[in-house]
Formats: sequence, structure tokens, C-alpha cells
Amino acid sequence: DVKVTQSSRYLVKRTGEKVFLECVQDMDHENMFWYRQDPGLGLRLIYFSYDVKMKEKGDIPEGYSVSREKKERFSLILESASTNQTSMYLCASSFPQMGPLGNTEAFFGQGTRLTVV
Amino acid sequence: SQQGEEDPQALSIQEGENATMNCSYKTSINNLQWYRQNSGRGLVHLILIRSNEREKHSGRLRVTLDTSKKSSSLLITASRAADTASYFCATDPYGNNRLAFGKGNQVVVIP
Repeated sequence: DVKVTQSSRYLVKRTGEKVFLECVQDMDHENMFWYRQDPGLGLRLIYFSYDVKMKEKGDIPEGYSVSREKKERFSLILESASTNQTSMYLCASSFPQMGPLGNTEAFFGQGTRLTVV
Repeated sequence: SQQGEEDPQALSIQEGENATMNCSYKTSINNLQWYRQNSGRGLVHLILIRSNEREKHSGRLRVTLDTSKKSSSLLITASRAADTASYFCATDPYGNNRLAFGKGNQVVVIP
């Protein structure tokens, strides 16, 4: 059974802390993504990665960074947590689409609900 | 910008009824996907429809795609309480596997 595992379901951190959210997939996917989900705003892409050591900014990268040292692991880093980063964070992975008939189905982790106080 | 924007609906229906939700998008696509999210969980892929397809079925799900109107609909027939969830459509507007999701439709099925 394919799996994307996020290190924590719930996390409470203090303002100014450096926060690491870890995501591991066992499907040998090249693509990995970090989204945040907020009520009324849907899913917004923070960062994504097509390969090891490769990263691209998404729609809302400010205040975040990422690390992908190994193919199966994609980490999201909040350099200095702030209360407006309180959110649900979702990690996903997928194979690269190979042409118009490719399948970009994404597999998601269970989510990390982060509260910054 | 968000591609794949559902009509912002919150549906409340009785068990056994059908639920329909819609999605529109702005750019050309290779495919459109629908996902389900149970409360507080991650998203689960339901169905993918390609741009050259007009309709697709999977169990109690029926998806239609109208590329001329840049819209899609998801129909859940004979709904069950377990169908209570949020449903999202997603497209790949940049053609690089970077999925863009809409804001989701919340469906509540009353037993």
C-alpha cells in the first residue's frame, strides 16, 4: 500500500521557533509538494521539488524553506514561526507526467495541524 | 492563482440522494482530477478525466468534462453517510505536474 507519512499529526510551537515538518514517501516518486490549507482559501502550494536537491517556489513561499536531500524525504522549514503560519500542512508526492496521457495523481499524507502560539 | 475553482457550495443531502458539484478552470489542461478529504485528514484521489474524454465513471462516481466551457462536474449517486467529506478538483495549469486545487465543496450526507 502506497504511503506518504508526515512526522506529526498535531504540533504546537512558539512564535520565533524554527520548525521542521517532515514528509516521507515510499513510492519512489520524483515530485513532492508542500501545501497549506486554510478555511475559505483551499490548498495553496508553498514549495515543490522535482528531484533530489531541487526545489521550486510555489504560490506562497515567504517565511518557508525546504530541503530534499534524499528522494523519499521532503522537509518544510519555518525559519521563524509566526502566528499567521498556524494552519494545516499537507505533503504530497507524484510521478512526473510523461506527456499528455500521463497520470499526475498525487498521494497525500495525513496532514500536520500546526499551531503557533 | 487558483485553477480548478469549485462552485463554493455546502451541500446537505439525505442518504440515498445524489450529490452534484461543479468546477471551472481557466487554462487548457491535459486532465482534471477530483479528490476527497475527510475531516482533518489528507486528500484521497477519486478519479481523473483526460481532456479528450467527456464522461467517466468509477463506481458511484460520474465525472463530466466540458473543455469548451472549461468546466467539470462530479456526481455521487446514491449517497451514503460515509460520503460526507470535502471534494476538490485539481488541474495542472502549468503542465509541469504542479497541481492547483480549488477551494472545495463540503458535502454532508444525513443518515
